Amino acid sequence: EPEVTQTPSHQVTQMGQEVILRCVPISNHLYFYWYRQILGQKVEFLVSFYNNEISEKSEIFDDQFSVERPDGSNFTLKIRSTKLEDSAMYFCASRQGMAGANVLTFGAGSRLTVL
Amino acid sequence: SQQGEEDPQALSIQEGENATMNCSYKTSINNLQWYRQNSGRGLVHLILIRSNEREKHSGRLRVTLDTSKKSSSLLITASRAADTASYFCATVLQAGTALIFGKGTTLSVSS
Repeated sequence: EPEVTQTPSHQVTQMGQEVILRCVPISNHLYFYWYRQILGQKVEFLVSFYNNEISEKSEIFDDQFSVERPDGSNFTLKIRSTKLEDSAMYFCASRQGMAGANVLTFGAGSRLTVL
Repeated sequence: SQQGEEDPQALSIQEGENATMNCSYKTSINNLQWYRQNSGRGLVHLILIRSNEREKHSGRLRVTLDTSKKSSSLLITASRAADTASYFCATVLQAGTALIFGKGTTLSVSS
């Protein structure tokens, strides 16, 4: 069964460092998402991406965050200068086109620990 | 921001019992979905119910939607230890917009 792949599974970084989290969405999916989950809390929407541009973003997704689809397969989330409160599990998700009903397929997540 | 609020936060039952989780939301929706998350893993889609539907079944899952009360319930019948996980409802306000998740219900099924 097709799956969304995320790397790394766990990254530890120092406060102020840049972090790039990578995702390979399902190959025929057109919409891509990043969500985050702080330990023990709810899953929060960060950003959605379609046709090489951001289609929707939350207030969490400030200037410290950026997304990119550098080639035909990868979808990345960059955090420019990490803060302690960025420590969370980051989930990438994808879905097919508009004919679908926003049913998302999630990756297993990347755990980010900021020290 | 719009989100579902699940109730209860935690639920502990014995194998074979039924588990019912509730979700409330704030504004009109296009559809409501339930996802499951095993500890430390990603979310897996379970079932979707559209705003014009009232009930839906999938295997041991039964979902209801009451748009007048802005609430939904997920019933898992004849629960198994493997059903132990967190369950989240997620709403879509308009077709094509992002899923917004609630806080989840943590279900523990003991054998």
